[in-house]
Amino acid sequence: QKEVEQNSGPLSVPEGAIASLNCTYSDRVSQSFFWYRQYSGKSPELIMSIYSNGDKEDGRFTAQLNKASQYVSLLIRDSQPSDSATYLCAVNNFGNEKLTFGTGTRLTIIP
Amino acid sequence: EAGVAQSPRYKIIEKRQSVAFWCNPISGHATLYWYQQILGQGPKLLIQFQNNGVVDDSQLPKDRFSAERLKGVDSTLKIQPAKLEDSAVYLCASSLGRSTEAFFGQGTRLTVV
Repeated sequence: QKEVEQNSGPLSVPEGAIASLNCTYSDRVSQSFFWYRQYSGKSPELIMSIYSNGDKEDGRFTAQLNKASQYVSLLIRDSQPSDSATYLCAVNNFGNEKLTFGTGTRLTIIP
Repeated sequence: EAGVAQSPRYKIIEKRQSVAFWCNPISGHATLYWYQQILGQGPKLLIQFQNNGVVDDSQLPKDRFSAERLKGVDSTLKIQPAKLEDSAVYLCASSLGRSTEAFFGQGTRLTVV
């Protein structure tokens, strides 16, 4: 089982709709969770961090964490063409504190 | 605040040659990461430093890769000898601590021919 799993996509969403990206992780004692956006040919850019169960909102982005289900998600409201990118989920493990990434989900916003 | 600096941006070498990458983290960041990202895949952690000590290097191919972080600031990653499958983007990132947000440099795109 991979440490951090994401659906590779591609995920296509109409402009203005809500894009929902999901991530599961295997280590129950993981403590920090991050979402990064990566445009083609660029390096990952941090967009959200979440450390406790529940929702965290920042502008059009909402991160949701459910530690019991070992699940973290990212919602993008009012999707824009500029949101088209690969979204990477990253998890920091409590024990060895490695920062591990998933394979990413490629998101395309259709005008 | 200056970001993570990496050099060079691009490098083309022949197989069996050696290459070195340099990273200067954000000032004050104790944790430094080197990742390898192959096209279409997520970043794979090669080595993680806390100050000048190694936290994890379990996925570093130690027969050909080496990394150091002298004085707990700058870091270099070396490959010797390079193989075709080492063609990838090498990303350096840094964070204040081991559980906090990490920020990436622009990366070095390595092509081995």
